[in-house]
Amino acid sequence: DTGVSQDPRHKITKRGQNVTFRCDPISEHNRLYWYRQTLGQGPEFLTYFQNEAQLEKSRLLSDRFSAERPKGSFSTLEIQRTEQGDSAMYLCASSTEGGNEQFFGPGTRLTVL
Amino acid sequence: RKEVEQDPGPFNVPEGATVAFNCTYSNSASQSFFWYRQDCRKEPKLLMSVYSSGNEDGRFTAQLNRASQYISLLIRDSKLSDSATYLCVVKNTGFQKLVFGTGTRLLVSP
Repeated sequence: DTGVSQDPRHKITKRGQNVTFRCDPISEHNRLYWYRQTLGQGPEFLTYFQNEAQLEKSRLLSDRFSAERPKGSFSTLEIQRTEQGDSAMYLCASSTEGGNEQFFGPGTRLTVL
Repeated sequence: RKEVEQDPGPFNVPEGATVAFNCTYSNSASQSFFWYRQDCRKEPKLLMSVYSSGNEDGRFTAQLNRASQYISLLIRDSKLSDSATYLCVVKNTGFQKLVFGTGTRLLVSP
């Protein structure tokens, strides 16, 4: 499978715990995006990397959220001190530099109890 | 006010019907426009880009009216497999992020 992959697919955690999600983009894509989607809403942009540089960051990305793409390949999204409001689907997408289409991974569904 | 507004539906139509979805966007700097399709509990997938001249892909026709900041999607001869949520999406000049509407849910029944 050469699509975007995300791990884990599901995560249940208790409030206050830290969680980390991983995204592996399509191999030749140098742009990588994180979005969050809650029930009944469209995805909301969180952050964007071109290679290893984080170029755009949403106001939604509070101090508890951090994303990295250290070698310009896979990316991690960490949420510290999780809150119930963090429960959502976290979607990763990738694209080529000149491409308009963003290809989405299957998402990581986070439930904070 | 949301930057991209859509009627959430659901739109319930019989097989074979023609159905149209509309979307408005508020940012005049929006430069690229798309319709994405999202099946239940799945990731969004690009259905089609939307061009100023309008474009068609089989049973699907997309239109853009820049003056009115309005985008539409027409589905002809609806199939059961068209049941999904249709997301209106824009990209603004100078940014790479996609801005999504809430989506319009379509249910096609036999």
